[in-house]
Amino acid sequence: DVKVTQSSRYLVKRTGEKVFLECVQDMDHENMFWYRQDPGLGLRLIYFSYDVKMKEKGDIPEGYSVSREKKERFSLILESASTNQTSMYLCASSSPGLAENNEQFFGPGTRLTVL
Amino acid sequence: AQTVTQSQPEMSVQEAETVTLSCTYDTSENNYYLFWYKQPPSRQMILVIRQEAYKQQNATENRFSVNFQKAAKSFSLKISDSQLGDTAMYFCAPTQGGSEKLVFGKGTKLTVNP
Repeated sequence: DVKVTQSSRYLVKRTGEKVFLECVQDMDHENMFWYRQDPGLGLRLIYFSYDVKMKEKGDIPEGYSVSREKKERFSLILESASTNQTSMYLCASSSPGLAENNEQFFGPGTRLTVL
Repeated sequence: AQTVTQSQPEMSVQEAETVTLSCTYDTSENNYYLFWYKQPPSRQMILVIRQEAYKQQNATENRFSVNFQKAAKSFSLKISDSQLGDTAMYFCAPTQGGSEKLVFGKGTKLTVNP
């Protein structure tokens, strides 16, 4: 059974803290994605990685950075958490190329609250 | 920026009935892919159905089917014989600009009533 896992389901942090959200996939996928999901706004892409150590900014990268040192792991970093980063964060992975492999597989999400 | 419009923020349907969720999008690409994803309450996002833009035949997966109108840039999802387990947020997502990135609509919250 294919799987994308995220390190925490719920996380509470304080303003100014450095926050790491971890995502691991076991499908040997090249592509990995970080989204944030807010009510009424749908999913918005933060960062995208298409290979180890390769990354591309998404639509809302400000205040975030990412790290991909190994193919299976993609980390989202909030350098200095702020209250407006309180949100649900979803990780996804996919494999490039064939049409059927455009499907993105999602993790369960991390609900982050910044106080 | 590419936009995806799901004009129905919330819908409800009686069990066993049919419901259609609408989606329109913009793109300048000729070949792309479109997806409907489902996110049940407090559960993981999963793929419902996919469509390749160059295929004229509408995709079908059991009780789920799409009405894909390429010229109109419309991609609606029909759920037949609705079940309680269909209660979820549904997101329409075409691929973006010929890439493997997806652009998501804001979602439609579907409630199936007994």
